[in-house]
Amino acid sequence: AQRVTQPEKLLSVFKGAPVELKCNYSYSGSPELFWYVQYSRQRLQLLLRHISRESIKGFTADLNKGETSFHLKKPFAQEEDSAMYYCALFTGGGNKLTFGTGTQLKVEL
Amino acid sequence: KAGVTQTPRYLIKTRGQQVTLSCSPISGHRSVSWYQQTPGQGLQFLFEYFSETQRNKGNFPGRFSGRQFSNSRSEMNVSTLELGDSALYLCASSSSGGYSNEQFFGPGTRLTVL
Repeated sequence: AQRVTQPEKLLSVFKGAPVELKCNYSYSGSPELFWYVQYSRQRLQLLLRHISRESIKGFTADLNKGETSFHLKKPFAQEEDSAMYYCALFTGGGNKLTFGTGTQLKVEL
Repeated sequence: KAGVTQTPRYLIKTRGQQVTLSCSPISGHRSVSWYQQTPGQGLQFLFEYFSETQRNKGNFPGRFSGRQFSNSRSEMNVSTLELGDSALYLCASSSSGGYSNEQFFGPGTRLTVL
């Protein structure tokens, strides 16, 4: 069965410091991974997806099939990055996403 | 475009009752998925509907059911409510049943079971 693991419930960094939110997955097929973000009092929304290989708001994520990881990175954290981040695995056969438990990122001044 | 809307936003029910939640997707979106969000279990997939057909189902008991109408609006129903059903219920819509489409989430319905 598919599974997504985000080992950190809370990650606290200082403004300007690098950020890495960890995500590991288990899935026997070809995975497709996403990062969703929920800012305070806003809806859950897509941040980025691995097939796009793009940088959104300075964040990037690379799929590492050997390590079954999809870590989210940003070189310099900003205060507005403070939010809840969810890693999600799409396994095909319709729109089913398996979510990790989320990591609360807090950027301190 | 108007976003995904969910009604009601808040509900309080007692054990044993049943409840119906509604979700209106973004215009033109034919896929609607439902998720349950709790502090302990996080976001868990309930089911997904596409063109009035259930295509996917998560690991929830049969008390949880849903349907989709011809205008793509969807409802989910929970019968014989239990205390553990207290959660935020999110629905998400996407533009087609295809692969890797972005899901757009609604604000959720907060259900409290007393």
